[in-house]
Formats: sequence, C-alpha cells, structure tokens
Amino acid sequence: DADVTQTPRNRITKTGKRIMLECSQTKGHDRMYWYRQDPGLGLQLIYYSFDVKDINKGEISDGYSVSRQAQAKFSLSLESAIPNQTALYFCATSDSRTGGSILAFFGQGTRLTVV
Amino acid sequence: AQSVTQLGSHVSVSEGALVLLRCNYSSSVPPYLFWYVQYPNQGLQLLLKYTTGATLVKGINGFEAEFKKSETSFHLTKPSAHMSDAAEYFCAVRAGGGSNYKLTFGKGTLLTVNP
Repeated sequence: DADVTQTPRNRITKTGKRIMLECSQTKGHDRMYWYRQDPGLGLQLIYYSFDVKDINKGEISDGYSVSRQAQAKFSLSLESAIPNQTALYFCATSDSRTGGSILAFFGQGTRLTVV
Repeated sequence: AQSVTQLGSHVSVSEGALVLLRCNYSSSVPPYLFWYVQYPNQGLQLLLKYTTGATLVKGINGFEAEFKKSETSFHLTKPSAHMSDAAEYFCAVRAGGGSNYKLTFGKGTLLTVNP
C-alpha cells in the first residue's frame, strides 16, 4: 500500500458542483498539506494542518476548505468548483519529530478537471 | 519574504553527460534548501536537502548540490545522466528553522535525457 493515498486519482466535474478530494496516510506523520500544481507554476500551498486541531490557510486558500478528520486523514473540498480550479492536486505529509518542514511523502496526485 | 528561481524550464542532455539544473533563491534569513524530483504520474520525492553544516550535500541517485551563500544558489548536478533521470525537478526554499512552516517552490525544470 502507498504511504499517502489520494482518491480519486482523476475527476471531471461541472462548474458549480461541490467536490471532495481525500487523502490518507499510513506513516503516522502529524503534519499534512494540500498543494496545487499547474503547468509551469510549480506547487502552491492551499492548506496545511500541523495536527487534528491546527489547520492553516496557505497561499491560495480562496475557494477551498479542508477537514482533518483524524491524524491520518485530510480532505480538501471545493464548495463550488470553477474552471480555473482545474489542476493537479497533491497531498503531502511531514513529521515534526524529524524535520517538520521536509515534505516526506507525497501522494500520487488527483487530476481534477472542471468543465 | 522568500522566493526561488529555476533557470531554464527545460534542460536536455545526452545520456552520460553532465546534468546541471540551476536554482537561485532569496531569503531574509539563512535558508533551508531542497530539491525534489517528480517522475511522470508520480508525486514529488525528496532528492536532497541543505539545512546547516556542509555546503555540498549528496542525495539519492547520484545527485548532489552545493549551497553557495555568496551567489544565493543551490544548483543540482549529476556527473553522468541516465535515461531514468528524465523527470521534472523542483527547487524549494524555507526561511531557516523554527516552528513556522513555509516551503516556497520554484516553477520546475523538466529534464530530458537523449540516448
């Protein structure tokens, strides 16, 4: 099993629909992150969570929300999807005990298309 | 504020040739620097990191990078390219240590290796 699992891997949705991307990890890491990747733009941080009760906005949080249901689960929601949210989304984890800023594991990504 | 500039969005080398991927950063405090690699349809994987100490750091797969404070650079090198090195490479910077987290990524450099 993968260390960080993202579901779904691919999704096409319509403008205005609500969609949830899910992330689960088996590493026991306390920190989890959601990133968005657009071609030629690198990765941009959407939200991050240092533990279940600590959730923070990243660089581009508008239009997104998150939920940390458990230490191992971190979900990203688009309340009303719009076409410019079409992107590749990554979940990542790190461990504060061994260098918290080092993103230790990434999921394989969710390719989201909003039409 | 911190930022990363990767010079060259696409680098092409022949198999066996030197690989040089350039990264320059700006940071108001001593930085932590990272290189990540992304293979097709995969998440990012940490190649190497510089935090403190020795300025020449070695990573996985024969890659290394040298932190040059005077040049604000952290270029990634590998003496001899292999076909399996074809991937996208991202440089990232964090403004020093401490409890605050923020990794800023460059826009990425796509490495092509020709037979």
